[in-house]
Amino acid sequence: GDQVEQSPSALSLHEGTGSALRCNFTTTMRAVQWFRKNSRGSLINLFYLASGTKENGRLKSAFDSKERYSTLHIRDAQLEDSGTYFCAAINTNTGKLTFGDGTVLTVKP
Amino acid sequence: EAAVTQSPRNKVTVTGGNVTLSCRQTNSHNYMYWYRQDTGHGLRLIHYSYGAGNLQIGDVPDGYKATRTTQEDFFLLLELASPSQTSLYFCASSDEWGNTGQLYFGEGSKLTVL
Repeated sequence: GDQVEQSPSALSLHEGTGSALRCNFTTTMRAVQWFRKNSRGSLINLFYLASGTKENGRLKSAFDSKERYSTLHIRDAQLEDSGTYFCAAINTNTGKLTFGDGTVLTVKP
Repeated sequence: EAAVTQSPRNKVTVTGGNVTLSCRQTNSHNYMYWYRQDTGHGLRLIHYSYGAGNLQIGDVPDGYKATRTTQEDFFLLLELASPSQTSLYFCASSDEWGNTGQLYFGEGSKLTVL
């Protein structure tokens, strides 16, 4: 079946620093969506991309369907950014949505 | 902003118990989904529906039933709950399957089966 390989599985950042999360796909995906699960357990929509890049505040995401990957960059990390980040990608042919296993981000003072 | 509301937000039951999780969306979306999310794993699709009266099987359907009573309402039913069904359940809606695919999620329902 479709595979979405998300890395790293866990990430620790100090406030003010940044890093990138990545999802690799084993097949061609038509779009990718990024979410954050916050401390209350709610899933927050971050980005939906069918191509290219999008930016929202301190977050920036890129999606390359041909190269089969997507990234989520976080800059100037804040304590409230802590949570589990998921990517989910839509198979071009089947329309099926497959989730990555998540990245647990901890932002420390 | 799309709105998906789940209830209850927290539920504790015993093995063999009967549980119904409710989901309502006010987005006029055709598709609704039930997922479960376990620590260390992504969301896994249990059931989905593309309209009132319709039900489609997802990737992990065993032990679950679902019913879409209206465009707005989608229910997940656990008739004989087991400890392996302890999980965080998310409902979602979207306007089309795969075409735009953008999902809008509810706030999750935490189920504990003792």
